[in-house]
Amino acid sequence: GAGVSQSPRYKVAKRGQDVALRCDPISGHVSLFWYQQALGQGPEFLTYFQNEAQLDKSGLPSDRFFAERPEGSVSTLKIQRTQQEDSAVYLCASSLASTGTAYEQYFGPGTRLTVT
Amino acid sequence: AQKVTQAQTEISVVEKEDVTLDCVYETRDTTYYLFWYKQPPSGELVFLIRRNSFDEQNEISGRYSWNFQKSTSSFNFTITASQVVDSAVYFCALRGYNTDKLIFGTGTRLQVFP
Repeated sequence: GAGVSQSPRYKVAKRGQDVALRCDPISGHVSLFWYQQALGQGPEFLTYFQNEAQLDKSGLPSDRFFAERPEGSVSTLKIQRTQQEDSAVYLCASSLASTGTAYEQYFGPGTRLTVT
Repeated sequence: AQKVTQAQTEISVVEKEDVTLDCVYETRDTTYYLFWYKQPPSGELVFLIRRNSFDEQNEISGRYSWNFQKSTSSFNFTITASQVVDSAVYFCALRGYNTDKLIFGTGTRLQVFP
């Protein structure tokens, strides 16, 4: 079946602009994750949803970052007043299961955000 | 605290050579999960394997094999008879039993030359 999809694949924003990044998880996957990957680094956790509930947002770097998953399927990561340090690849992942069980996360292709 | 260390930043080999990618982890959890992901130049992270902490059996899948040793907190990945298509960045990751976030290492870039 179809994998995790993300849009746009590339986004260039001027400093101060707001951006919205979209993630379509694998159909039926209850868990959805957002990660941030800086150049040459491993992905770092941002936030986690189980269905529509945001259970962990400990990785969001500032209150300019906001994520939602209102109907338990598609998710949007919004960054307000973008800064140059926000430039990174934003990865979305989904999984069939959740906490306390053995499962793997399947990743989308990512959105490369460049803030100029 | 949980931590994953991949000390090898970059490895270059010639096709058909065997190569081992090292991964050392730290966790206080008694139950945890270890993963390897491949990130080719296209950028998408591709899941390779999950290993549960209570299962120390080594695993082989084609040219890939994984050696999990709790005594040394290591989960190493070996590619036998490497091919150019194996060129990618490989990430080792850890997840605790009561958490959902993956903790990634910094990755090892593997270049396989013809």
